[in-house]
Amino acid sequence: NAGVTQTPKFQVLKTGQSMTLQCAQDMNHEYMSWYRQDPGMGLRLIHYSVGAGITDQGEVPNGYNVSRSTTEDFPLRLLSAAPSQTSVYFCASSPFRVPMNTEAFFGQGTRLTVV
Amino acid sequence: SQKIEQNSEALNIQEGKTATLTCNYTNYSPAYLQWYRQDPGRGPVFLLLIRENEKEKRKERLKVTFDTTLKQSLFHITASQPADSATYLCALAGNTGKLIFGQGTTLQVKP
Repeated sequence: NAGVTQTPKFQVLKTGQSMTLQCAQDMNHEYMSWYRQDPGMGLRLIHYSVGAGITDQGEVPNGYNVSRSTTEDFPLRLLSAAPSQTSVYFCASSPFRVPMNTEAFFGQGTRLTVV
Repeated sequence: SQKIEQNSEALNIQEGKTATLTCNYTNYSPAYLQWYRQDPGRGPVFLLLIRENEKEKRKERLKVTFDTTLKQSLFHITASQPADSATYLCALAGNTGKLIFGQGTTLQVKP
């Protein structure tokens, strides 16, 4: 099983450029989410989705867009990259709409540098 | 505002001892609390989940307690080994659809 797959693993962007971080899961999970991880800050929730066509904001949504057109895919878009968005990004999925009582499965992360 | 706090200082212990990590939270009423392990350069991996009506949960050498009065969870690793060295994250989940993480505590087990 592939689990949660994130691409790319590494990316360098110039300020103002746009890009999409890809996330795909093959476990038929309803819940998917994006986190960013910065030193000393832990994982902070950016956006999440409880199913295809449904998305909502997390703790730090500004500067990021998401969509969920299929159960499998949950891309994260940076419309105009800023140095403050330099971080490691993790995508996660859980089987049910509300991720309370089951584990979250994480991808390997995308390390993004904005110069 | 909601806050989850884990000890930001690294915990250094000797092999064979019990490691105890703390997770405190404020302005939150989680229904579930989860613990994850994260190795450098990797995504977090789920370890244990405990419900608000459970006082304690065990899995092999791991034990988690959940005190909703103190708003605290303790994570214990007994008979620790150098392979247990990693960063451990606690996460809280209520019924809002959000899984919120603490900043993690790094554990170093010395042989």
